[in-house]
Amino acid sequence: NAGVTQTPKFRILKIGQSMTLQCTQDMNHNYMYWYRQDPGMGLKLIYYSVGAGITDKGEVPNGYNVSRSTTEDFPLRLELAAPSQTSVYFCASSLGLAGRLSSYNEQFFGPGTRLTVL
Amino acid sequence: QQQVKQSPQSLIVQKGGISIINCAYENTAFDYFPWYQQFPGKGPALLIAIRPDVSEKKEGRFTISFNKSAKQFSLHIMDSQPGDSATYFCAASIDRGSTLGRLYFGRGTQLTVWP
Repeated sequence: NAGVTQTPKFRILKIGQSMTLQCTQDMNHNYMYWYRQDPGMGLKLIYYSVGAGITDKGEVPNGYNVSRSTTEDFPLRLELAAPSQTSVYFCASSLGLAGRLSSYNEQFFGPGTRLTVL
Repeated sequence: QQQVKQSPQSLIVQKGGISIINCAYENTAFDYFPWYQQFPGKGPALLIAIRPDVSEKKEGRFTISFNKSAKQFSLHIMDSQPGDSATYFCAASIDRGSTLGRLYFGRGTQLTVWP
């Protein structure tokens, strides 16, 4: 299993450009998440999905869009890049089952995409 | 509004010492409290987790202490090693209903263990 894969690893965008961050998981997980990580600020949830065709906003969704057409893929779209979107972006997935086992809740993270908007 | 507050922001410990990181929360509906470990250039990975019906959980050198009445929990790393140098995040979630699986993270603690 490759786990959670993200592409690209690095990207520099100009203000106003658009791009899609790709995320794929091969663990047949129901739930998928997008976070952004800024220095000293922890991980902020942008969007999440509980299954194909179902998405919902997290804490910081403005400026982003997502779709979930398959169980495996959860792309994040930036439509009009702004300097405030300079960050490291992580995709994660989990089984999404209720229960006591940590394996039900454990989120598996991808290696991240470092995005700079100039 | 930060749902989970973490301290300290950074911590320097000598090899063999005990590292202690603290977290506090307000929402009493939280019922799952994991700690994630992140090495530079990598994504976070689950280290250890606890539920509020126990006061302590130990896995090797890593222990979570949980105080439900104080709404606090902490990570203790015994016999700290240079390989433990990483950023540690505490988190909390409500593990049922529409919020199942959604984690609220603390801001992280950068731990450095000197040899």
